[in-house]
Amino acid sequence: AQTVTQSQPEMSVQEAETVTLSCTYDTSESDYYLFWYKQPPSRQMILVIRQEAYKQQNATENRFSVNFQKAAKSFSLKISDSQLGDAAMYFCAYRPSSGYSTLTFGKGTMLLVSP
Amino acid sequence: SAVISQKPSRDICQRGTSLTIQCQVDSQVTMMFWYRQQPGQSLTLIATANQGSEATYESGFVIDKFPISRPNLTFSTLTVSNMSPEDSSIYLCSVGGKGLDPTDTQYFGPGTRLTVL
Repeated sequence: AQTVTQSQPEMSVQEAETVTLSCTYDTSESDYYLFWYKQPPSRQMILVIRQEAYKQQNATENRFSVNFQKAAKSFSLKISDSQLGDAAMYFCAYRPSSGYSTLTFGKGTMLLVSP
Repeated sequence: SAVISQKPSRDICQRGTSLTIQCQVDSQVTMMFWYRQQPGQSLTLIATANQGSEATYESGFVIDKFPISRPNLTFSTLTVSNMSPEDSSIYLCSVGGKGLDPTDTQYFGPGTRLTVL
């Protein structure tokens, strides 16, 4: 069975600084997708960034980028120039490319942003 | 992406009653999913709602407790039956498998916050 591990229950960062959230996963599949979702307090979960395992290039989305290490099964999220609006729970998720779209989520990392 | 709405957004219910949660999508989607998020926890998949067939339930979830309907490609309901305080959670609808999205990314509704007294 696939598992997703987020070892940091909580992280803190100051505005304008950079923070990295960690995620590791375990799978026997060779082709899959990885996602980071953001869930602000009492607000809707939204997709931050996604990575296809067959792509060697790390995905980027404005201030958000990932460091995807397939051999190490690591998928960290880097947030640059942090903003107060980045404060949220961040979930790492995995989905195999075969079959239907069942996601496996990590337990989440709460990101606190201070002025 | 898809625009997803859920009704109700929140509710407070009495033990032993049932609540039906609706999920509406602005376009036809292949897959619809229902998740539960207990307080301070991650998301747990309850079931996959298939249009025109029975829902597929994950281990630990049964149809008698969480009956699901999927009458068409834009709508689904989840009923939480015979509720107990342990059912207090956020229930999220998710969609995926859109033909336009090759990565088959899942998008989430705003959730229904349920409190059972």
